[in-house]
Amino acid sequence: GAGVSQSPSNKVTEKGKDVELRCDPISGHTALYWYRQSLGQGLEFLIYFQGNSAPDKSGLPSDRFSAERTGGSVSTLTIQRTQQEDSAVYLCASSLARAGVNEQFFGPGTRLTVL
Amino acid sequence: KQEVTQIPAALSVPEGENLVLNCSFTDSAIYNLQWFRQDPGKGLTSLLLIQSSQREQTSGRLNASLDKSSGRSTLYIAASQPGDSATYLCAAPNSGGGADGLTFGKGTHLIIQP
Repeated sequence: GAGVSQSPSNKVTEKGKDVELRCDPISGHTALYWYRQSLGQGLEFLIYFQGNSAPDKSGLPSDRFSAERTGGSVSTLTIQRTQQEDSAVYLCASSLARAGVNEQFFGPGTRLTVL
Repeated sequence: KQEVTQIPAALSVPEGENLVLNCSFTDSAIYNLQWFRQDPGKGLTSLLLIQSSQREQTSGRLNASLDKSSGRSTLYIAASQPGDSATYLCAAPNSGGGADGLTFGKGTHLIIQP
């Protein structure tokens, strides 16, 4: 069966431009998560969706970051006015979110480079 | 706020050795803990998930244990092989139930020498 997919796999952009990153979760997974992995910072949790709702957006690094999920499936992470410090690998994960068992499965990531 | 620490940061051993990777977490009100493997330039592969009601979980040559009271988990790799070379990450949930993000340790970078 298909795993979590992300697109694009690589994105190079100029400082100040907006970018959109896409995540397709495993079919039937109700929960979806975004993380960021940068050199020296490790893996950092950004936001999660239960269905189409994001209960807590406090993990987003700044107000230039936003995320949405429609139809309980695909999610997009948007970064406006990109800065060089936004360069990182952005990882998406999904899970069934059953009580007591919430195994997260990750996609291959989108490598973002801001010049 | 959950904090996760992994020791050692790096480990290099000859092929065939048994080894133990350590993980500690600060908030013991977790309902499960997950171990991942990451190969260079790749995403994360889930290795094992241990529920809070379990003390151990096994998959092939891998065995993970969980001690919530002491805030510790260990990943035991038996008869290591060069293909086991990767970064191993431990992750604990940010809250006690339902869906939520994971807090990751910085990982153990493992090299198995042929």
